[in-house]
Amino acid sequence: AQSVTQLGSHVSVSEGALVLLRCNYSSSVPPYLFWYVQYPNQGLQLLLKYTSAATLVKGINGFEAEFKKSETSFHLTKPSAHMRDAAEYFCAVSLGNQGGKLIFGQGTELSVKP
Amino acid sequence: DADVTQTPRNRITKTGKRIMLECSQTKGHDRMYWYRQDPGLGLRLIYYSFDVKDINKGEISDGYSVSRQAQAKFSLSLESAIPNQTALYFCATSDRTEGSETQYFGPGTRLLVL
Repeated sequence: AQSVTQLGSHVSVSEGALVLLRCNYSSSVPPYLFWYVQYPNQGLQLLLKYTSAATLVKGINGFEAEFKKSETSFHLTKPSAHMRDAAEYFCAVSLGNQGGKLIFGQGTELSVKP
Repeated sequence: DADVTQTPRNRITKTGKRIMLECSQTKGHDRMYWYRQDPGLGLRLIYYSFDVKDINKGEISDGYSVSRQAQAKFSLSLESAIPNQTALYFCATSDRTEGSETQYFGPGTRLLVL
């Protein structure tokens, strides 16, 4: 069965510091992988997605993620955190042969300190 | 205007009451989904519909039912609400013609069952 694990339910960084949010997945077939962001009192917004093209994926707001098949990981990074990045981040996996169904990780809440 | 809308945005109800949450989309997508979000659990799939005549149970369908009234409308019903159905509910859509089937989310409905 497919699953997604996000390591760390809360991550706190200082403004200007590196952001690293970890995501590991399990899948028996090549997956599609997604990162979504949820700002307070809002729905989920797509940050970026991996669809078997380039392994390094660039998204919105300066975020990027690297697909590493050998490590079954899809960690999200941003070189320099900004206060507006404070939100909850969700990693999700989808299998092409099951339509658009998504399996979500538990979420990681990112706090950014001034 | 938002592409995916949900009504109501907030709802308080009592145990045993029947309630309906509604979702409408203007994206022209054929696939629609209902999720619930609970702290520490991420999003879990309740029901999904690949077209008007195709409705499928998700991971946690017990206690819920759905209706796909039209391509653009997908409603979620709680026949007899119970307190552990207190959660944040999201509707999402996707397009089967898009290979990776990115899902687009509504703003959510916050439900409290007393």
